Amino acid sequence: GNSVTQMEGPVTLSEEAFLTINCTYTATGYPSLFWYVQYPGEGLQLLLKATKADDKGSNKGFEATYRKETTSFHLEKGSVQVSDSAVYFCALNDYKLSFGAGTTVTVRA
Amino acid sequence: EAQVTQNPRYLITVTGKKLTVTCSQNMNHEYMSWYRQDPGLGLRQIYYSMNVEVTDKGDVPEGYKVSRKEKRNFPLILESPSPNQTSLYFCASSSGRAPGNEQFFGPGTRLTVL
Repeated sequence: GNSVTQMEGPVTLSEEAFLTINCTYTATGYPSLFWYVQYPGEGLQLLLKATKADDKGSNKGFEATYRKETTSFHLEKGSVQVSDSAVYFCALNDYKLSFGAGTTVTVRA
Repeated sequence: EAQVTQNPRYLITVTGKKLTVTCSQNMNHEYMSWYRQDPGLGLRQIYYSMNVEVTDKGDVPEGYKVSRKEKRNFPLILESPSPNQTSLYFCASSSGRAPGNEQFFGPGTRLTVL
């Protein structure tokens, strides 16, 4: 079946540091890939998505590129802020949504 | 405002006492689902519904029931809760099941079963 593996946390960074969260997937079809973010005490919300190979999703300074050859969708941000502290989930949807375990990111001032 | 609402947000109950968590969306979405979130496991789907009166099991349906009598509502029912159902629950909706569709999540219900 389909599955998503993302790097374990927690990740602690200083403000303006570079963030990368690795995500790899296993899928039999042609899934769409997502990053969802969960701020403290809230539900998940879509951060960005890519629906086909080589697509780049971007939002709020975050980026991720759908790499079919390496089955990866790594999340990156060049300069994080305290407000980026959250749990980040990588997910794939191939008519069924599968989530990674989540990565907790804490950004310190 | 487009949103998914859940009630209650927090619930502490005892083993065996039936409970219902409500979920409602105002986006006229056809597809709705329930997830539970547990540390280290991400979100796992409990049940989903493609439309009114159409529901199906997800990955972890044991101990749960759902119904979809109206398009906007999708309640989750625990007939006889047990401590292993202590978790954070999310309802979600989307315009359909197609891979590119964004899921809209409710704020979550934290359930503790003693």
